Amino acid sequence: KNQVEQSPQSLIILEGKNCTLQCNYTVSPFSNLRWYKQDTGRGPVSLTIMTFSENTKSNGRYTATLDADTKQSSLHITASQLSDSASYICVVSAGAGSYQLTFGKGTKLSVIP
Amino acid sequence: SQTIHQWPATLVQPVGSPLSLECTVEGTSNPNLYWYRQAAGRGLQLLFYSVGIGQISSEVPQNLSASRPQDRQFILSSKKLLLSDSGFYLCAWSVPIAVSTDTQYFGPGTRLTVL
Repeated sequence: KNQVEQSPQSLIILEGKNCTLQCNYTVSPFSNLRWYKQDTGRGPVSLTIMTFSENTKSNGRYTATLDADTKQSSLHITASQLSDSASYICVVSAGAGSYQLTFGKGTKLSVIP
Repeated sequence: SQTIHQWPATLVQPVGSPLSLECTVEGTSNPNLYWYRQAAGRGLQLLFYSVGIGQISSEVPQNLSASRPQDRQFILSSKKLLLSDSGFYLCAWSVPIAVSTDTQYFGPGTRLTVL
């Protein structure tokens, strides 16, 4: 069964600090991995997408890494801002077709002043 | 640019009542369309997806149904709501070409509470 596990479940950090969110997956065959940001009560918004051959991808202060051998990904947030407070969802695609997605439960990040 | 709309934004319905949630997409043609449910503390669950008018695939057996009467309109329905239908319902679209790096774009969601 395809699964995506994220850790930690929740995280509180001070504004300006860095943090790293983890994603482990058991999805086969692997097509790509995406990180989404979901503000409370809103739809998810795509941050990064990586295919098998990509090890890292950045989007501003967000940097995602992918180790396809160990089936792990991380999302690093640099110099956090209050607006970074949200849930971050790891999503893995198992095939050539975007509807074949497995979603993690997300990490709820709270950035406090 | 493409935009996706959902309504209503929030809905409170009694058990046993019918349901109709609507999703429309602007700025693209023949998109793939999706309905998801997000229950509290759980990941997104794909309910239905559609690759064209009248073409609906169901991922989870339940008392919900979906229809696509027009190219950019996707409707989620139920004849009789259950308490377990409460949740945050999200509509999404993606480009019609099934390439490995296409992205799903989500709407603002509908918060449904069944009492």
